[in-house]
Amino acid sequence: GAVVSQHPSWVICKSGTSVKIECRSLDFQATTMFWYRQFPKQSLMLMATSNEGSKATYEQGVEKDKFLINHASLTLSTLTVTSAHPEDSSFYICSAEGGIGNEAFFGQGTRLTVV
Amino acid sequence: DAKTTQPPSMDCAEGRAANLPCNHSTISGNEYVYWYRQIHSQGPQYIIHGLKNNETNEMASLIITEDRKSSTLILPHATLRDTAVYYCIVRVRMDSSYKLIFGSGTRLLVRP
Repeated sequence: GAVVSQHPSWVICKSGTSVKIECRSLDFQATTMFWYRQFPKQSLMLMATSNEGSKATYEQGVEKDKFLINHASLTLSTLTVTSAHPEDSSFYICSAEGGIGNEAFFGQGTRLTVV
Repeated sequence: DAKTTQPPSMDCAEGRAANLPCNHSTISGNEYVYWYRQIHSQGPQYIIHGLKNNETNEMASLIITEDRKSSTLILPHATLRDTAVYYCIVRVRMDSSYKLIFGSGTRLLVRP
């Protein structure tokens, strides 16, 4: 299947700082990218959907000013967690939709720990 | 909200077929059923998807009932590496795109 790469795989940051997570589709152009968050022992929760060159669409209850999403090209989307707090500690996963069958392929995830 | 319901857990013996059921009684006519699995602390892995016909690939088979209200994912010869959480998802239309809303999934344990 197609490859979606996330970077970094894990990050520890201090409370109050911002963290940027990158999501790249390596071998296809992603018309749409999605960002999910997953807490321990829970399912994935969709945070937002982004299309290249346009503003992201956020799910209800997700603060757009806290979770900044930029989808600058057909192969790159970034999620910036601004002014991170310990409750933002979670597993963040991106997916990219595109390719032949338009399936969504997922990155390996980024584990964020805010101390 | 997720449009699917799955049993929370199942187990099967290594080498046997694993049959994972999924109910999606409110599915619309043009909505696809997707299956993904997630091994601990990794991103979900695509398995298979279908609309109304049965589908098969190198990983699994997908059987969709004629009324499309339920489906079954079949892993023909389960191995220990198939232990994972399996998610059945209905891909929902959203404006000019689609989105995948994950439910709780089924935790499959493959026993030696």
